[in-house]
Amino acid sequence: DVKVTQSSRYLVKRTGEKVFLECVQDMDHENMFWYRQDPGLGLRLIYFSYDVKMKEKGDIPEGYSVSREKKERFSLILESASTNQTSMYLCASISRRTEAFFGQGTRLTVV
Amino acid sequence: ILNVEQSPQSLHVQEGDSTNFTCSFPSSNFYALHWYRWETAKSPEALFVMTLNGDEKKKGRISATLNTKEGYSYLYIKGSQPEDSATYLCASEFNDYKLSFGAGTTVTVRA
Repeated sequence: DVKVTQSSRYLVKRTGEKVFLECVQDMDHENMFWYRQDPGLGLRLIYFSYDVKMKEKGDIPEGYSVSREKKERFSLILESASTNQTSMYLCASISRRTEAFFGQGTRLTVV
Repeated sequence: ILNVEQSPQSLHVQEGDSTNFTCSFPSSNFYALHWYRWETAKSPEALFVMTLNGDEKKKGRISATLNTKEGYSYLYIKGSQPEDSATYLCASEFNDYKLSFGAGTTVTVRA
């Protein structure tokens, strides 16, 4: 019954490394999102995509990029990881005006 | 940045009491309003998706209302139970496919 899958639950990376977070959904949703969750700040939108190869910046895109080569897969890329990117990352997918489904989250620690 | 705001940030409720809290969102470019329940160590789960001004939805003891003209929604919990303890997130879905969340209201129900 798994609908949205993130590739890792926990990751530890070094400062300066390039980091890939993968998200796959099996519901044929058009729209996919990457958020980060920090205490007291809720879910902040990093990037979103409404179609294959289409991407839009969210509210906090600096230091991140994304890739959507296939409809089911939306990848978040940290070009050069920094300690202030230590956070919980959540992927979500949605068909418009219906509920969003979330992955289990990836807790990333940058040391 | 189009801000979705929730208040209060947290509240404590005695078991059996009813409570409510607010989500405010920009009324321009409105497409839909979502409510999610988020328990610790789990992914957010959808409660309601509402689209029309004046919408009211109910699931068990939880209900929600929507005012799109003034840009707010209320979530009500009737006869709170300890299992209602969670963070409640609202999100506004915009015409440009963006789905932006508020910071959440954390509800703690005391037995």
